[in-house]
Amino acid sequence: KQEVTQIPAALSVPEGENLVLNCSFTDSAIYNLQWFRQDPGKGLTSLLLIQSSQREQTSGRLNASLDKSSGRSTLYIAASQPGDSATYLCAVVKAAGNKLTFGGGTRVLVKP
Amino acid sequence: GAVVSQHPSWVICKSGTSVKIECRSLDFQATTMFWYRQFPKQSLMLMATSNEGSKATYEQGVEKDKFLINHASLTLSTLTVTSAHPEDSSFYICSALTSGSAGELFFGEGSRLTVL
Repeated sequence: KQEVTQIPAALSVPEGENLVLNCSFTDSAIYNLQWFRQDPGKGLTSLLLIQSSQREQTSGRLNASLDKSSGRSTLYIAASQPGDSATYLCAVVKAAGNKLTFGGGTRVLVKP
Repeated sequence: GAVVSQHPSWVICKSGTSVKIECRSLDFQATTMFWYRQFPKQSLMLMATSNEGSKATYEQGVEKDKFLINHASLTLSTLTVTSAHPEDSSFYICSALTSGSAGELFFGEGSRLTVL
């Protein structure tokens, strides 16, 4: 059974510092991995999707890497801003059209 | 990205009544939608997988008679919480899967249900 872990559960950094969020999964046979952002009381916003054949994806200040063999993904957020404060969730899919398995999330606070 | 709309965004009801939550994919067709439940400060818990034109597949421990799911069209899935009780109070989120090889999931804004 796939298990997804995100460490740390919470993170607080001063504005301007780079953020590094970790995600690990136990079964390397994945179809893709997605990173999401969730603001309090809101749904999830898709940030980046990495296919199993890819090693990284970039969007603006965000960069996500994927090392399937070691079961790890890392989300980097450069030059953090207070508006980046949110919970970040990673999720993996075993096969196309299958359900996502979510990590527990990392709650990020960027202090001005 | 694709847009998924959920309605209502919040609802308060009396114990014993039924509540229907709608999930619509606004600019794409979704043969598969997922329903999640989220408790405060916890991650999402998958309740069921909804496939257009067929019965939903429920996760272990989720009562199919209590949480009725209907996916009658390629853009709409509904979750009905029947005979709601206070312990059903939660944040319910739907997601819709885009077609094609990418298979990216987009989420609705969530619906907060409070049962008095």
